[in-house]
Amino acid sequence: EPEVTQTPSHQVTQMGQEVILRCVPISNHLYFYWYRQILGQKVEFLVSFYNNEISEKSEIFDDQFSVERPDGSNFTLKIRSTKLEDSAMYFCASVDNTYEQYFGPGTRLTVT
Amino acid sequence: GESVGLHLPTLSVQEGDNSIINCAYSNSASDYFIWYKQESGKGPQFIIDIRSNMDKRQGQRVTVLLNKTVKHLSLQIAATQPGDSAVYFCAENPKTSYDKVIFGPGTSLSVIP
Repeated sequence: EPEVTQTPSHQVTQMGQEVILRCVPISNHLYFYWYRQILGQKVEFLVSFYNNEISEKSEIFDDQFSVERPDGSNFTLKIRSTKLEDSAMYFCASVDNTYEQYFGPGTRLTVT
Repeated sequence: GESVGLHLPTLSVQEGDNSIINCAYSNSASDYFIWYKQESGKGPQFIIDIRSNMDKRQGQRVTVLLNKTVKHLSLQIAATQPGDSAVYFCAENPKTSYDKVIFGPGTSLSVIP
């Protein structure tokens, strides 16, 4: 069964550093998403992406965040200057034509 | 504003018993609801969904009930198994579209062998 993959599984970075989280959505899906989950809390929407542009973003997704689909298969989330409060699990998701969102296993980001 | 919330943050059930996880939503215009299961260290996994024109939908060992009058959603798991232990999230997609999914806070289900 096709699945969404994410790398790395765990990223440790120092405050102020840039990080790039990578996702490979399911190949025939056209809509992509990033969500985050702070430890013990609910999953929060960050951004949705379609046709090579952002279709919606949340208040969390400020100027420090950006997304890109550089090569038709990867979907990346960049945080330019990480803060302690960016520590969380980051989930990528892609959706098929039934609106069912398929989530990846997540990247645990730890900012020290 | 929109919100999706849960009545019970934790639930413990005996193996073999049925489990019921409840959820309240506040956006009466929402027309698509989803239940996700999240096991430790993994991403949310789709369990079952229901559209607002339905009251009940059944899957394999799971049933979702939607009461639009009181804006209440429930997930019933029949014959609960140890593998069902996880956090369960209700979520809504306000426009049954490719928009974001809004998650509730989650209920932790623990199955006692």
